[in-house]
Amino acid sequence: KAGVTQTPRYLIKTRGQQVTLSCSPISGHRSVSWYQQTPGQGLQFLFEYFSETQRNKGNFPGRFSGRQFSNSRSEMNVSTLELGDSALYLCASSLVGMRGETQYFGPGTRLLVL
Amino acid sequence: ELKVEQNPLFLSMQEGKNYTIYCNYSTTSDRLYWYRQDPGKSLESLFVLLSNGAVKQEGRLMASLDTKARLSTLHITAAVHDLSATYFCAVDMWNNNDMRFGAGTRLTVKP
Repeated sequence: KAGVTQTPRYLIKTRGQQVTLSCSPISGHRSVSWYQQTPGQGLQFLFEYFSETQRNKGNFPGRFSGRQFSNSRSEMNVSTLELGDSALYLCASSLVGMRGETQYFGPGTRLLVL
Repeated sequence: ELKVEQNPLFLSMQEGKNYTIYCNYSTTSDRLYWYRQDPGKSLESLFVLLSNGAVKQEGRLMASLDTKARLSTLHITAAVHDLSATYFCAVDMWNNNDMRFGAGTRLTVKP
């Protein structure tokens, strides 16, 4: 069974631009969660999608958004990029949701904002 | 605000020794997660602890949860070099659907 895939793996953007990251979950998994990891703030939960609906959301500004498609693939978008958005963005999938289930993580997308 | 504190943040062990990593959290929760991250890599789920007194073991790692003390432990038995990694705990915030991570414990196991 293929694992969680994320594209692109590396990305360089400049301040003010926007970026879209993609995550394809394990086949049959309907829940996708997104996380940000930075040296300063550590790991932070962004949001979780299940059946095309955002079910949970962390404490991030509205510049961070996401969506999920009917095939469970998910995208996250960051608008008006700031230097502090430079991070490793991880997505994880699970069968039906983040609470209590084992999550399977993708390799991450490293975003550098210049 | 929920705070999740791990200690120690850095741990250097000799192979064959035992040690425990602690994860304290500041608010009510009954769901706690442990993850492992190798340098430059993604996260790997280790354990999900769902109730007071829960104990799970996988190989040389054993995790437990005491919701009354708001404490989880990750015990390492007879450490081997392959266990060198950063270990994170995370807690669900039951009242607002958020999730908070500890800062991580960087474990180095030396021969």
